[in-house]
Amino acid sequence: DSGVTQTPKHLITATGQRVTLRCSPRSGDLSVYWYQQSLDQGLQFLIQYYNGEERAKGNILERFSAQQFPDLHSELNLSSLELGDSALYFCASSGDGTDEQYFGPGTRLTVT
Amino acid sequence: AQSVTQLGSHVSVSEGALVLLRCNYSSSVPPYLFWYVQYPNQGLQLLLKYTTGATLVKGINGFEAEFKKSETSFHLTKPSAHMSDAAEYFCAVILGYQKVTFGTGTKLQVIP
Repeated sequence: DSGVTQTPKHLITATGQRVTLRCSPRSGDLSVYWYQQSLDQGLQFLIQYYNGEERAKGNILERFSAQQFPDLHSELNLSSLELGDSALYFCASSGDGTDEQYFGPGTRLTVT
Repeated sequence: AQSVTQLGSHVSVSEGALVLLRCNYSSSVPPYLFWYVQYPNQGLQLLLKYTTGATLVKGINGFEAEFKKSETSFHLTKPSAHMSDAAEYFCAVILGYQKVTFGTGTKLQVIP
């Protein structure tokens, strides 16, 4: 158990819909990262937050957005969903952003 | 810009044989280097990391990696493969407070 929790574990929704994925980092970790993993794209870094502020951005689509709240939990919002958004979405946390990351178990999103 | 290259998306070894997974990076300054392992339907977990100091790093499950600055490499090895080592392995690099960059992953198959 990494100490990072993600909800929900599974999510099935239709094209065009909007979903919110939630992540709680390990106790004391200030950085949260979001990743998308699919068979064709592999592991893609989406975005990083550090203590509530956006620190780094990766291959995140404009239809996707994220935020980190004062209690350090984070949410990833995916809107106007397409079939190609079906993937595993991982959240990870770290202390200050320069050390190892602890990954959550992931949320499996299926868009039908 | 930093980047990570993992040679070989799939590697097969016999049980008991040497495991060698290759990782090369490009970075203008010394990076932090990591190896993560992902078992099926799970998140990534840290195997080992290099930040500073000794260039030969030992990790969990008998794995080790050597940072070779002259070759810009951080290859992962294990003297004797076990069936339980079958998984996907990711090399990653962090440069300062910049975003982490993951390699494309290498799936290790262990043949009995």
